[in-house]
Amino acid sequence: DAGITQSPRHKVTETGTPVTLRCHQTENHRYMYWYRQDPGHGLRLIHYSYGVKDTDKGEVSDGYSVSRSKTEDFLLTLESATSSQTSVYFCAISETSGVGETQYFGPGTRLLVL
Amino acid sequence: GESVGLHLPTLSVQEGDNSIINCAYSNSASDYFIWYKQESGKGPQFIIDIRSNMDKRQGQRVTVLLNKTVKHLSLQIAATQPGDSAVYFCAENSGGSNYKLTFGKGTLLTVNP
Repeated sequence: DAGITQSPRHKVTETGTPVTLRCHQTENHRYMYWYRQDPGHGLRLIHYSYGVKDTDKGEVSDGYSVSRSKTEDFLLTLESATSSQTSVYFCAISETSGVGETQYFGPGTRLLVL
Repeated sequence: GESVGLHLPTLSVQEGDNSIINCAYSNSASDYFIWYKQESGKGPQFIIDIRSNMDKRQGQRVTVLLNKTVKHLSLQIAATQPGDSAVYFCAENSGGSNYKLTFGKGTLLTVNP
């Protein structure tokens, strides 16, 4: 599992409240990613980080912000949650495999916004 | 198809048969491809990868075939087992990026005992 943990694993919140999801890795990987997974779509990239304090937007970044103050933690924040942000959120790291830069995923966080 | 569960393309096989799961990728500039397995309620799990300078790569009970001419990728699972039941999806490095991937929506494989 590439030493990736996510917390919380499940969360129910109300529209308009802030929510922060945490991704923690133990193997000093430089690249970390946040994705969301919804029926009808493949995994979609929200934000990614290529180092401490270095982040960039993905294809579905509106309504989300991220922070990476240390190598091991990558935080995803929904400043004011909306029902359209109900989803399963996966964190991933990038690691060199036999032939390329593979991404390995955490167990996911199921978020329900009421 | 959708990423997990509803309305995904499906493949149903008998235990012990070989399975072939297909994927059409979108970007002719992509040069690295990955197959993932995702069981219900879990995160995607890396199975096998291949670069564009390869036609075939084998792992334990799995083989990935790449046809660049028609932008097609397939995953072959030998002697399919009930534990292979999951959603399988492919990913490509986005136009040759070293660190960004684009994911397919997946195929649901069901193995009947």
